Order: sequence, then structure tokens, then C-alpha cells
Amino acid sequence: QVQLQESGPGLVKPSQTLSLTCTVSYGSFTSGNHYWTWIRQPPGKGLEWLGDIHYSGSSSYSPSLRSRVIISVDKSSNQFSLKLTSVTVADTAVYWCARVARFWSGYWRPRWVDSWGQGILVTVSS
Amino acid sequence: DIQMTQSPSSLSASVGDRVTITCQASQDISNYLNWYQQIPGKAPKLLIYDASNLDTGVPSRFHGRGSGTVFTFTITSLQSEDIATYYCQQYENLPLTFGGGTKVELE
Repeated sequence: QVQLQESGPGLVKPSQTLSLTCTVSYGSFTSGNHYWTWIRQPPGKGLEWLGDIHYSGSSSYSPSLRSRVIISVDKSSNQFSLKLTSVTVADTAVYWCARVARFWSGYWRPRWVDSWGQGILVTVSS
Repeated sequence: DIQMTQSPSSLSASVGDRVTITCQASQDISNYLNWYQQIPGKAPKLLIYDASNLDTGVPSRFHGRGSGTVFTFTITSLQSEDIATYYCQQYENLPLTFGGGTKVELE
């Protein structure tokens, strides 16, 4: 059973960069059948997909955050990371790393989230 | 982006009641829709994929149906452990988008 664990600072100052890492255990990080994704949830609000990455390095991002988000992968460590630049208080949220099953429909596409980390609350405040 | 509109945003029901949630997509998404359950303080859990298929181990009181732009999620007999927020999610197009959630509470 794959396990995912987020790590990183729980407090970030406005205008700085939020950096989180997700460590994947007990699963094949390089199986090829999944994307690795970041999803966030502001307190009391809904879920927002930030972007995802395949172990090969190909990535996709939410258009609303594309200018501020970078997701990278480190296959040697079974980790993937999120960087969100120029944060504001609106970026305060629980950040989840997760695994997304993918399927072929003329091209590879994400399908559903089948495993989640426990989530990490990141507060943006001075 | 494909907008997913869930209704109602919250509801109260009694144990044993039938509960129905609607999710409407802003464009045709075929059956590319999933439903998740989120218990407070926990990560969401996949319940239904491809609009109507129960994930492994999900109780049969959960049902999903629909295609195109309108989808429904039903709990045929609400149990106390079903108290949670439910989200729909489309995967027709990137970005993946979720509905705003429906909070199910006990009366």
C-alpha cells in the first residue's frame, strides 16, 4: 500500500516561496501508471488541483497558478516537490500530495486520486 | 476550466434517510466524473469513479449516476459514519476541478 508524506515549513512569510516535499513509500514511484500531484484546501473551503508530474518529468499546472508553481521529481529519493512563489495570505491552506491514476485516451490523462498524504497546513503570515 | 457546481452545499438528514447530491458540469464531460468523501481532518477518499463505479470496499449504499453535464450521488440509507463532505471531480480536461462540496450532517 503506497504511502505519501508531506514535509516542509508550516509558516511562510508573504512574498516568499512555499516549498514542500512529498516522500513516497511502499509503492512503485516509477511504475509509469500514475501522476504525482499537489492539491490544496484553504481552511473551510474546497479542493484545488495545483498540478502534477510524471516520474519521467513531464508536468502540468493549473492555469491560474502556472506563473508561480513548479513541481519537480527526484526519482533517486522517491520524492516530488512543490514550489509556490510570491505567496500571499490567500495561499494559506492544507496542502496534500497525492497519487493520480492515469489512462490512455488518445494521450495519457489523469483520472482519479487514489492515494493521499496526511496533508500539511501551511500558513502565510508575517 | 470546467466548472463543477454541486448542490446543495449542505444538508441535514436522519440515519436511514436517502440522501441525494447533484453535480453539474459547465460542459459535457461524458462520464469522466469521480466522487470523494472527506471526513473532517482527513484526506478525501475515492468512493465512485467513472460516474457510477464503486471503488473497492465502498459500501453498496453509495450510488452514482449520470453522464454529460448532470450527475447525482446517492446514499440510499444514511449511516452515522457517512457524516462528511462529499466532492465531485471531473477529469475531462485539465485542470482537474472539484465541486464546491456538500456537507452532510445528522439532524
